[in-house]
Amino acid sequence: EAQVTQNPRYLITVTGKKLTVTCSQNMNHEYMSWYRQDPGLGLRQIYYSMNVEVTDKGDVPEGYKVSRKEKRNFPLILESPSPNQTSLYFCASSDGPAKGEAFFGQGTRLTVV
Amino acid sequence: GQNIDQPTEMTATEGAIVQINCTYQTSGFNGLFWYQQHAGEAPTFLSYNVLDGLEEKGRFSSFLSRSKGYSYLLLKELQMKDSASYLCAVSDRGSTLGRLYFGRGTQLTVWP
Repeated sequence: EAQVTQNPRYLITVTGKKLTVTCSQNMNHEYMSWYRQDPGLGLRQIYYSMNVEVTDKGDVPEGYKVSRKEKRNFPLILESPSPNQTSLYFCASSDGPAKGEAFFGQGTRLTVV
Repeated sequence: GQNIDQPTEMTATEGAIVQINCTYQTSGFNGLFWYQQHAGEAPTFLSYNVLDGLEEKGRFSSFLSRSKGYSYLLLKELQMKDSASYLCAVSDRGSTLGRLYFGRGTQLTVWP
């Protein structure tokens, strides 16, 4: 079954404690993205990657890091989380930004206290 | 970023037809997508337009006019389960890698 798997689904953490949200896809997609979704603001892109070792900033990259060492995995790293990073996060993958539908992970609801 | 506008909220009754509009401004248009998102869930793909005209898929249709920077999603024979947020997204090849930009979504409520 084609899918994008994100973990964890829910996470409550404290300010400054490094965390990683994992994302894995089984469709051999080249393009992967991370979004955050906040009420009234819609989906905003954090980082995206066109292929292994090729990443670029989206609209809201501050406070986040990503890596793409393997095609299937695209983890999102928060080195020092702050309360303003409390949000719903989605990972997505596709053949390209205009090459067909994007498949989204189930979402990670992160709360930073 | 790109400027993508769509209404914040819409309401309609079961069995009716509703049209959700989306306007956009982009430097390197490369396609327009519509996604459906139920509360607390991931977005799911509905349609993709890259050329002008109407794409029909069952009860859902999507229209694109590139010269006007305009698209709409048409939902026919509305059902209660169609209550969701509908996201317009534009692909832009302006940057090196190309990007997908989302509008803020239109929350559709279907009443019985």
